[in-house]
Amino acid sequence: GAGVSQTPSNKVTEKGKYVELRCDPISGHTALYWYRQSLGQGPEFLIYFQGTGAADDSGLPNDRFFAVRPEGSVSTLKIQRTERGDSAVYLCASSSNRGLGGELFFGEGSRLTVL
Amino acid sequence: QQQVKQSPQSLIVQKGGISIINCAYENTAFDYFPWYQQFPGKGPALLIAIRPDVSEKKEGRFTISFNKSAKQFSLHIMDSQPGDSATYFCAASAGGTSYGKLTFGQGTILTVHP
Repeated sequence: GAGVSQTPSNKVTEKGKYVELRCDPISGHTALYWYRQSLGQGPEFLIYFQGTGAADDSGLPNDRFFAVRPEGSVSTLKIQRTERGDSAVYLCASSSNRGLGGELFFGEGSRLTVL
Repeated sequence: QQQVKQSPQSLIVQKGGISIINCAYENTAFDYFPWYQQFPGKGPALLIAIRPDVSEKKEGRFTISFNKSAKQFSLHIMDSQPGDSATYFCAASAGGTSYGKLTFGQGTILTVHP
């Protein structure tokens, strides 16, 4: 597929559990972003990778959230000790541009529900 | 200072009409202003974007108007079609290496009646 792929598309978990959400960006895109979208709201920035390194993680809400991109392609967002307030759609986006301006291509998101 | 305020929350127009959505920002470091369109169950998709060195940009039926002094920008959809029914988000970023670190507005749900 040519687009950004996110798995799972839906995840239901219980409060306190650990969750991993995966993002497979468009091939060749060096920049990768994670956003969180709560119901009826605009996406909120979480973290940005340029290659393998996290260039900006200022949007991560607390230390229960962590993301990696070990080989500069696929990224995993990890949430420990999930809380009901973590329920949202987690969006991943990638871009080919090295920060000089350009389009972000979003995936369809992973909908997380914490019971 | 990081907020982008968007209005209206919802908008209903007739087919062929003009849809207008407005946004205002505070952060003077913002210099990249995209609009995204989102259909239910899908991720946002870039519609059109502008930088503050121009006051207007047009692509097909979509036009962004930008007022730097007022720190406001708007999206105009001409000849609105039922297929335009979606949620629209304005956004802003500081550009440079931060261009993808977008601050989004709250969204406008547009309904175009046939």
